[in-house]
Amino acid sequence: GAVVSQHPSWVICKSGTSVKIECRSLDFQATTMFWYRQFPKQSLMLMATSNEGSKATYEQGVEKDKFLINHASLTLSTLTVTSAHPEDSSFYICSAREGLSYEQYFGPGTRLTVT
Amino acid sequence: QQPVQSPQAVILREGEDAVINCSSSKALYSVHWYRQKHGEAPVFLMILLKGGEQKGHDKISASFNEKKQQSSLYLTASQLSYSGTYFCGTERYINTGTASKLTFGTGTRLQVTL
Repeated sequence: GAVVSQHPSWVICKSGTSVKIECRSLDFQATTMFWYRQFPKQSLMLMATSNEGSKATYEQGVEKDKFLINHASLTLSTLTVTSAHPEDSSFYICSAREGLSYEQYFGPGTRLTVT
Repeated sequence: QQPVQSPQAVILREGEDAVINCSSSKALYSVHWYRQKHGEAPVFLMILLKGGEQKGHDKISASFNEKKQQSSLYLTASQLSYSGTYFCGTERYINTGTASKLTFGTGTRLQVTL
C-alpha cells in the first residue's frame, strides 16, 4: 500500500516553455501533498505544501507565480514550472500524507532538464 | 534550520556497523529516517515520535534522545543493499490545525563494499 506515482519520470524542455508534473496517490487519499526540489548531491528542499481544495503554502524564496501548484482532488496534485530556465533543471519529488498519518510517502521523482 | 547529520560520508565493508547522527538546534516533534539511492526518491525507513523511543526492523534501528533534539540511526551487519544516502527528516512543534512539514537533514552518504 501507500504508493505515490509521478509523471513524467523525466522531461527535457526548451527555455521559456512550461512543464507540468503530476503526482498521484494510488491507493490512499492524500489530504496533504508536498513538493520538493533536489539538486545533485544535495538534500531535499521543500518548495510548497498543498492541502486538497485550498491554496498551496510556499516556502520562503519559492516564487508562487513560477511554480504553480494545484491540488484539485484527494489523489492528484500538479506542479507547473512556468517559463522554465536552465537553473530550474533539477529533480522534483512529491510526497503525500494521508489524514493525520505521520508518514510521508514519496513519488519516484521527475528529472527536469531545461535547455 | 536544517538539521545537521554526521558523518557526511562513510565507507563500510559488508558486515560492519555504522551510526548516523542527526542534530537539531530546536526541540523536535518527530524524526523520520529515509534512504535514497542515486536517481531515486527517498524510501521511508522509520519514524520516532517520543523522546527516549527506540525502534528498528531487520538490522536497522534508531533512537530519539530524551531532550528530543537528536536522533541516531544504527546499521548493524551492513549489507551491500544498505548503500545510499540517508536523510533524517525532522518536524518541529507547530500550532494544531497547520499541516506539519519535514525539514531534511544534510544527508550521509553510505557505501558498503565487499
